Amino acid sequence: GAVVSQHPSWVICKSGTSVKIECRSLDFQATTMFWYRQFPKQSLMLMATSNEGSKATYEQGVEKDKFLINHASLTLSTLTVTSAHPEDSSFYICSARDPDRPSTYGYTFGSGTRLTVV
Amino acid sequence: GDSVTQMEGPVTLSEEAFLTINCTYTATGYPSLFWYVQYPGEGLQLLLKATKADDKGSNKGFEATYRKETTSFHLEKGSVQVSDSAVYFCALKMDNDYKLSFGAGTTVTVRA
Repeated sequence: GAVVSQHPSWVICKSGTSVKIECRSLDFQATTMFWYRQFPKQSLMLMATSNEGSKATYEQGVEKDKFLINHASLTLSTLTVTSAHPEDSSFYICSARDPDRPSTYGYTFGSGTRLTVV
Repeated sequence: GDSVTQMEGPVTLSEEAFLTINCTYTATGYPSLFWYVQYPGEGLQLLLKATKADDKGSNKGFEATYRKETTSFHLEKGSVQVSDSAVYFCALKMDNDYKLSFGAGTTVTVRA
C-alpha cells in the first residue's frame, strides 16, 4: 500500500534556528502533499497544501515566510520552520494522496515530527 | 463551510466493553467520510471509510455506517481491547476538493 515516510520523528532545536522536516512518498508519486500541525490534545490544523513544481497554498493565518514549503519532486516535500521560537513547538504531520487511487480514497499520513524549541 | 462534529472525550472503558463515538457532519454536498486512528506518538492511520449513503465501513472490528438522513457516521466496536487505546478522528472530504476536514478527535482509553 501507499507509504509516506516523515523525518525526523522528533527534533529539539534552539530558539532562532531553522528546522527542516521531510515528507517522502515511498511507493507512489504524490503531486499534492499536505502539512498539518497538531497541538496537544487537539485536532489537526491544515497549514498548507504543497503542490509539486509550484508554490504552496497556505491556509489563512499561517505565516508563509515562517513555514517554508518546498515540493521539488513528485516524492518529496519539505517544511522548514524558520527562526523557530518556543511557540512553534508542536507535532507536525504530513500527508499525501496517491493519484492512482480514486479521489474518494483517504490520504496516507506520515508518522509525524515532534518539534521542541528551547 | 463543510465541517465535522465529534463526540468529546476522553472516553475510558474496560476491556470487552462496547464503544461508540458519535460523529455528525455538515456539508453542502455528499462527502466521503473517514475514521482515522492515532496511536500515542504516531501519525494517523486510516481505520475505515464510506463514500456514499448507507455504505458501511469496517476494519479491525470497528464499523461505521454513512447515514445521510441523520448526517452521521458513528464509530462502533462491540468488544474493545487495551490495544484500541488511541485518539480517533472523524473526517470528511468533498469530491471536488483535496482537503480533509477533521473533527476534534476523541481520546479512548481501554483498561484491562
